[in-house]
Amino acid sequence: DAGVIQSPRHEVTEMGQEVTLRCKPISGHDYLFWYRQTMMRGLELLIYFNNNVPIDDSGMPEDRFSAKMPNASFSTLKIQPSEPRDSAVYFCASSLARAYSPLHFGNGTRLTVT
Amino acid sequence: KQEVTQIPAALSVPEGENLVLNCSFTDSAIYNLQWFRQDPGKGLTSLLLIQSSQREQTSGRLNASLDKSSGRSTLYIAASQPGDSATYLCAGEFNAGNMLTFGGGTRLMVKP
Repeated sequence: DAGVIQSPRHEVTEMGQEVTLRCKPISGHDYLFWYRQTMMRGLELLIYFNNNVPIDDSGMPEDRFSAKMPNASFSTLKIQPSEPRDSAVYFCASSLARAYSPLHFGNGTRLTVT
Repeated sequence: KQEVTQIPAALSVPEGENLVLNCSFTDSAIYNLQWFRQDPGKGLTSLLLIQSSQREQTSGRLNASLDKSSGRSTLYIAASQPGDSATYLCAGEFNAGNMLTFGGGTRLMVKP
């Protein structure tokens, strides 16, 4: 298995632009998570899906952030409009639904908003 | 609100030393605890997962323990090597919804 695949690896954009981050979870995994990592705040859970359905989006910082999972093999995290404070590394992770299933992370997308 | 804390934030040891990384959590009703490794520019790799009914898990030179009553977990690394240099994060699952609360991590450097 190729693991969790995220694209792009790096994204540099100007303030006000729309940014779309992409994720392909491990095949067969039922849960998909979006995390954000910064030096100041560490790893923060933004939103997670179970069987393509959003379960908890309480971590999404503002209405500028939205996430979708149209099918079991693809998810997007969109920021519109982007702001400099959104600069961070965004991770996607997936896991099986069974109890005590470890979490598998992608390599992340490093977003820089200037 | 559950909190997970890792102290120290950074640790430097000479090669060959046995070391312990600490993780504390505020909610004793923990479902499971996971230890991860993160290399620079990479995602997190799951190292060990301890279920709430277990006291420890071992994988090679790594041993993780869980003490729910005291709200603590430790990751023991035996005979450390320069290749062990990375950031180690612990994360607790406090309900059955697969959501993890992460600590801030301990950045480990093993000097040759």
